Amino acid sequence: DGGITQSPKYLFRKEGQNVTLSCEQNLNHDAMYWYRQDPGQGLRLIYYSQIVNDFQKGDIAEGYSVSREKKESFPLTVTSAQKNPTAFYLCASSTDRASTDTQYFGPGTRLTVL
Amino acid sequence: ILNVEQSPQSLHVQEGDSTNFTCSFPSSNFYALHWYRWETAKSPEALFVMTLNGDEKKKGRISATLNTKEGYSYLYIKGSQPEDSATYLCAAGLGGTSYGKLTFGQGTILTVHP
Repeated sequence: DGGITQSPKYLFRKEGQNVTLSCEQNLNHDAMYWYRQDPGQGLRLIYYSQIVNDFQKGDIAEGYSVSREKKESFPLTVTSAQKNPTAFYLCASSTDRASTDTQYFGPGTRLTVL
Repeated sequence: ILNVEQSPQSLHVQEGDSTNFTCSFPSSNFYALHWYRWETAKSPEALFVMTLNGDEKKKGRISATLNTKEGYSYLYIKGSQPEDSATYLCAAGLGGTSYGKLTFGQGTILTVHP
C-alpha cells in the first residue's frame, strides 16, 4: 500500500534533549512538508523540501532542523533550542511543490517534553 | 503570513441536518483553495482542490464553492451522518514567494449526534 508513515506515534523527551521524528513515503512524491499543530491553531509549516538535498524554512523553523538525503525520507529534528516543543507533528508529501497539488498526510507524532 | 480563517470553530448538529461552514482568505495572489477532512486518530484526507472563481465541487453529500474575488469558500454537508463527525480544514495556496506552501485555517470541528 502506498502512503506516508511516521514514527513513533508518541514520543517523550526530557528538556534539553534533541529528538528526531521519522517520516517516510512510498508515493514517489518529490515534495515533502513538516507541520506542527497546537490546540486551537491551524497547521503551521515548519520546513519543506522540493527535491533531494534541498529544503526551505517554513513559517516556524526556529529550533528545528531537517535533512533530505533520500527522496523517500524527510526526518525532522526538534532541538533543545525549540522553546515550546510539546505539540502534534504531521508530515505530508505531494507530487510537486505547487499550490494546486494535494498534500497527503501521515498519521502524526505527538511529542511531549517532560 | 497569509491569514486563513474558518468559522464556526465548532458545530453540533443532529443526524439528518444539513450544515455549512466558511473559509475566508485574502483574495490577492490566490492560486488554490483546499479542503481536508480530519477524523480522530486518522490522517487528514483531501476532499477538494479549487482554483477558479465560481468553482463548485461535489463528493457524495459534501460540496464546496469558491469565490476568489471576495475571498471565501463554503463547505456544505447535506443530511449529516455521525460518520461525518470530523475536523474540516481549509488551506489556501498563493503565488509569488509563497508558491507551493499552504496556509491552513484553524479548522471547524463538526459533531453529528445520532
